[in-house]
Order: sequence, then structure tokens, then C-alpha cells
Amino acid sequence: NAGVTQTPKFQVLKTGQSMTLQCAQDMNHNSMYWYRQDPGMGLRLIYYSASEGTTDKGEVPNGYNVSRLNKREFSLRLESAAPSQTSVYFCASGPQGGNSPLHFGNGTRLTVT
Amino acid sequence: QQQVKQSPQSLIVQKGGISIINCAYENTAFDYFPWYQQFPGKGPALLIAIRPDVSEKKEGRFTISFNKSAKQFSLHIMDSQPGDSATYFCAASPYDKVIFGPGTSLSVIP
Repeated sequence: NAGVTQTPKFQVLKTGQSMTLQCAQDMNHNSMYWYRQDPGMGLRLIYYSASEGTTDKGEVPNGYNVSRLNKREFSLRLESAAPSQTSVYFCASGPQGGNSPLHFGNGTRLTVT
Repeated sequence: QQQVKQSPQSLIVQKGGISIINCAYENTAFDYFPWYQQFPGKGPALLIAIRPDVSEKKEGRFTISFNKSAKQFSLHIMDSQPGDSATYFCAASPYDKVIFGPGTSLSVIP
């Protein structure tokens, strides 16, 4: 059982470049989430998808877009990367909303120079 | 604005001691309070969770205490072990969103 799979594991971008972070889950979960983790800031919610076909902004959505491609996949896009977006990005999924355990991937470490 | 506050930022405990991490929240719509444990290079994993209709929940060496009127909850780790050394996050959920605290780095020394 793979659980939540994130690709790539590492990425270096130049300022202004774009990229898409991929996330897929094989647990038939309805809800999916994107977080960024920065030292001293904990995990901050970027966007979430409570169910297939819906997406909503979290705490720090500026500079990001998301697509819930199907029930399994939830991608995060940076259209024009900035150094402030240097972070570790985690994707998570849960059976139904936030009132159930979230399962996390192992993260994507992104550096923007 | 941090909707979930957590303290201390870091904690050093001797093996066999009790580790205590405290959290506070502001939004009374929160109705699910999980704790997650994260090891270096890995994603967080659920440790234990509580709902506001109970004041305490215990699973092995881990206990959550919940004070609804004070809007506070805490994690107690009894008989702390070196293998418990990790970062701990409290979180709160108003159904769809899950909001995390800033984390506590716990080191258990022999």
C-alpha cells in the first residue's frame, strides 16, 4: 500500500519559473490537502479539496493554484516561483473532511533561488 | 494570525520523565483535536485525537487532556523514551479544514 505519494521529492527553481507538484492517494479518501512547512511556522494550509470537484483556499493561498484532477490526484501549481515559496510541501488525504485522521506524504523540498 | 497556539517551542526531557505540550485555540467551531508526530524527513503521522465531548483520552503512554471552557488541550507523554524524540503538532478542525499549531521539538535524553 503506497498511501500518499508525492513527486518530485526535491526541486530547485529559479525565480519566475513555474512547476506543478503532484500528489496521489490510493486509500479512496474524499478529502485532500496541501500544506507548507517552514521552521517555527508549523504546517500552514495552502489549499484543500473536501471532495472531488471542490477546492477551497486555506491560510496561505497566494501564489498557488490547485487542481483536483480526480478522486486520487490533487496537484499544486506555482505559476511564477518566488524565493518566499522555498519550503517543504506536504500533501495529505483523509476519509471525510478534517474530522478524521490525515495521512501525509513524505514531502517535496522546494528551493527557489 | 495563528489560530492554534502551541508551547513550548522545544522541550528536553530525561528518559522516564513526563513530557507535556500545551495548545490553545480561539475558534469555538473547532470540534476535532488531533496530535501528530513527525520524524525528520517524514510526513506527520496521527498520534492520538480527541473530540470536545470528553475531557481526557489515553492511548498507552499518550494522554490528551481537554478543557473546553478554557479552549485549551494538552499532550502528556508518560515514561518518555529516546524513540519519542520528534516534532509534535497539535491541530484543530472545524470539519473540512485542519489547522496546525507551530510544533514542539521534543528531545528525550538518556
